[in-house]
Amino acid sequence: GAVVSQHPSWVICKSGTSVKIECRSLDFQATTMFWYRQFPKQSLMLMATSNEGSKATYEQGVEKDKFLINHASLTLSTLTVTSAHPEDSSFYICSARRVEQFFGPGTRLTVL
Amino acid sequence: KQEVTQIPAALSVPEGENLVLNCSFTDSAIYNLQWFRQDPGKGLTSLLLIQSSQREQTSGRLNASLDKSSGRSTLYIAASQPGDSATYLCAVDSGNTPLVFGKGTRLSVIA
Repeated sequence: GAVVSQHPSWVICKSGTSVKIECRSLDFQATTMFWYRQFPKQSLMLMATSNEGSKATYEQGVEKDKFLINHASLTLSTLTVTSAHPEDSSFYICSARRVEQFFGPGTRLTVL
Repeated sequence: KQEVTQIPAALSVPEGENLVLNCSFTDSAIYNLQWFRQDPGKGLTSLLLIQSSQREQTSGRLNASLDKSSGRSTLYIAASQPGDSATYLCAVDSGNTPLVFGKGTRLSVIA
């Protein structure tokens, strides 16, 4: 199957700082990527749909000014959590679509 | 709007038992359905993908069935092992839209 990578796999930061998470499709081009968030013992919740070369589409309740998404190329989408707070601590997972969706390994963000 | 429900939410069985996990979805116009496994603190591992035209898929001790008309899928695990302990997620793909996930079934297989 296709490979999707995420970097970093985990990050710890202080409250108020910004954190960037990268999602890459390693062996295929993805016009559409998705960002999910998962809190402990809960399922994945879609945050936004990222389309190459255009603005991301955010799900209801997700602050677009806080979670900045950039999809500048067909193999890279980035999620920047701006002015992070402890309640943003979560597991962030991206996926890339090539007919099917392939998932990255996730990034665990801990905000102190 | 597609909704996916998984039953039971948690399941604990002794090693060696056969078990069935259930998934139901509200909109039968799907492209495919996937079953994933997630270990604590880890990402998703795709187990089986069933296209809308298929009735079932098998991989080793796992068998997934799909009844699109009734909006149901089951994941059958034969001869369960402690290593099968994980959360199992069902996700529906309606084509050109993000996958819609169920809340998962937390499985514990006791040695």
